Amino acid sequence: DAGVIQSPRHEVTEMGQEVTLRCKPISGHNSLFWYRQTMMRGLELLIYFNNNVPIDDSGMPEDRFSAKMPNASFSTLKIQPSEPRDSAVYFCASSLSHVHSNQPQHFGDGTRLSIL
Amino acid sequence: RKEVEQDPGPFNVPEGATVAFNCTYSNSASQSFFWYRQDCRKEPKLLMSVYSSGNEDGRFTAQLNRASQYISLLIRDSKLSDSATYLCVVSTHPGGGNKLTFGTGTQLKVEL
Repeated sequence: DAGVIQSPRHEVTEMGQEVTLRCKPISGHNSLFWYRQTMMRGLELLIYFNNNVPIDDSGMPEDRFSAKMPNASFSTLKIQPSEPRDSAVYFCASSLSHVHSNQPQHFGDGTRLSIL
Repeated sequence: RKEVEQDPGPFNVPEGATVAFNCTYSNSASQSFFWYRQDCRKEPKLLMSVYSSGNEDGRFTAQLNRASQYISLLIRDSKLSDSATYLCVVSTHPGGGNKLTFGTGTQLKVEL
């Protein structure tokens, strides 16, 4: 079975450039999550969607970050303009969620982003 | 105060040892609890869920104390392959979703 698919696996770009990260969740999962992981701050939730609707974006650092989920099988996280402090590993995860469920999240391989 | 707190370690133990990790959480509305494992430069993967009555999966035992807001993981007869970072995770369900909050992880190194 295909897991969560993220692209690209690695991205190196200069500061000021636009960066777009992509995610395809596991088929049938109705919740999608974007995380950022750094050595200093660990794994931080940026935003999550339930049934394609953003539920909580309180973790999005600032207006330079935006996320969309146009349909159940695709999501993007965009950074514009990018800055060196955005360098991190960005993970996408998905799960089958209900109000009273206890379903775990499944993570993609992550995108290693380096902003020079 | 962090929502989920763990001792970062590292815990360096010999093969065959028993090791225990502890975790505390601050949100009393947390409903579900997990331990995830993350290998170096890899994604986090679910190790086990944690239930109020405590649960065991082979060499791994997880315990939950809701009154103290405390979660533990015990690894018996540790193997070299157990070397990883162990993430304590709590879940709430706002908006019908399943929001996970991760601790920063406890690093385990099992040595010969």
